[in-house]
Formats: sequence, C-alpha cells, structure tokens
Amino acid sequence: GAVVSQHPSRVICKSGTSVKIECRSLDFQATTMFWYRQFPKQSLMLMATSNEGSKATYEQGVEKDKFLINHASLTLSTLTVTSAHPEDSSFYICSARSLSSSYNEQFFGPGTRLTVL
Amino acid sequence: AQKITQTQPGMFVQEKEAVTLDCTYDTSDPSYGLFWYKQPSSGEMIFLIYQGSYDQQNATEGRYSLNFQKARKSANLVISASQLGDSAMYFCAMRERDNFNKFYFGSGTKLNVKP
Repeated sequence: GAVVSQHPSRVICKSGTSVKIECRSLDFQATTMFWYRQFPKQSLMLMATSNEGSKATYEQGVEKDKFLINHASLTLSTLTVTSAHPEDSSFYICSARSLSSSYNEQFFGPGTRLTVL
Repeated sequence: AQKITQTQPGMFVQEKEAVTLDCTYDTSDPSYGLFWYKQPSSGEMIFLIYQGSYDQQNATEGRYSLNFQKARKSANLVISASQLGDSAMYFCAMRERDNFNKFYFGSGTKLNVKP
C-alpha cells in the first residue's frame, strides 16, 4: 500500500511556542491530504483538508490562525500549531488519498504526539 | 444524529476464536463507502477492508470479512481465528459520495485477544 510519513513522531514544547508537523506521501502524489486530531481513547476528528496549491478547508470550530496548513507540493503538507497551549496537546494524524488506490481510501501517517507544557 | 455508531467500547476474545465488531451508520446518500481501520498502540491507522454501498457481495480480505446489511445500515467487521496481534482499537468509517473527502469515524472498539 501507499506509505505516508510524519515528522516528528513526538514533540514536547513550552507553552507559547509554535510547532510544525510534516506529512509526506513517500511513494505517490497526493493532491489532497487531511489532518486529524485524536484525544486519548477517542475517535479521529477531521481538522482540515489540505489541497496542493490552494488554501486548506477547515472544519467548523477549528481555528485557521491557530492551525496553519501549507500544502506546497504534491508530496508534502505541513501543520503548524501556533502559540501552542496545554489544551493543544493531542495526537495529530495526517492522511493522504491516492487516486490509484482500489477504493480511494485514505492512507494514514503514523501520527505525531504533541505535548505542550 | 451520529453518522457512525460503534456500541462496543471494549471486547475480549479468546485466541483462535472469531469475533464480530459492530458498526451502524446513518446516511441519506445512496452512494457511500464503508471502511474499517485498525489502530495498534503505536497509533498508526491501518486500512483493513472496504465495502461499497452498491457492492452485491460482502467484502473479504484474508481473516477479515464485512457483514454488510444494507437495510439495517450495519457493517460489522468479523475477524476469524483471532491472533494476539489483533489486539488494537478498531474504527469503522464512512464516506459519502456528496462529500467525498470527508471520513466520518466511529468512536472505536478496543479489542483484546486473550491467549
């Protein structure tokens, strides 16, 4: 199957700092990538849809200025958590859709665990 | 109303036995797709199986099969011959034709396989 990577896998930062998370599709081009947030023992919540070369589409309730998304190439999307606070601590997962896949399923990255002190 | 409902927060199954994880869905879109993903403790989401709303037969992938009952709007995952490595969270998800990019996830079921 298609492979999606995320970096870093784990990050701890101080309150008020910004953190950038990278999501890469390694063996396919992804015009669309997705960013999810998952709290402990809960389901995945879609935060935004990232489209290559255009602005991201954010879900209701997600602050655009807080979670900056850039999708500059067909293989890379970045999520920047600006001025992070402890309540932003969560597991962030990206996914990408491969148009060549059998079911147009989303392939997920391994996730990034963010802890804000 | 919730799009995807998983009513079993946790399940136990004996190794080598079969287990069914429940999933019901709600949509008025005649065209949709149903997915099951496995999330081990490492956090990665692993695609298991897919069922299209117009598929006539239940999907199967190795030890995984999907019991698709369209009239009941249920898409239960059946894992045969459970293995210790099957212990994980399992999420049911749906995508509708009219909102192709958006996956709706259920709350998940934590499966524990006992030796």
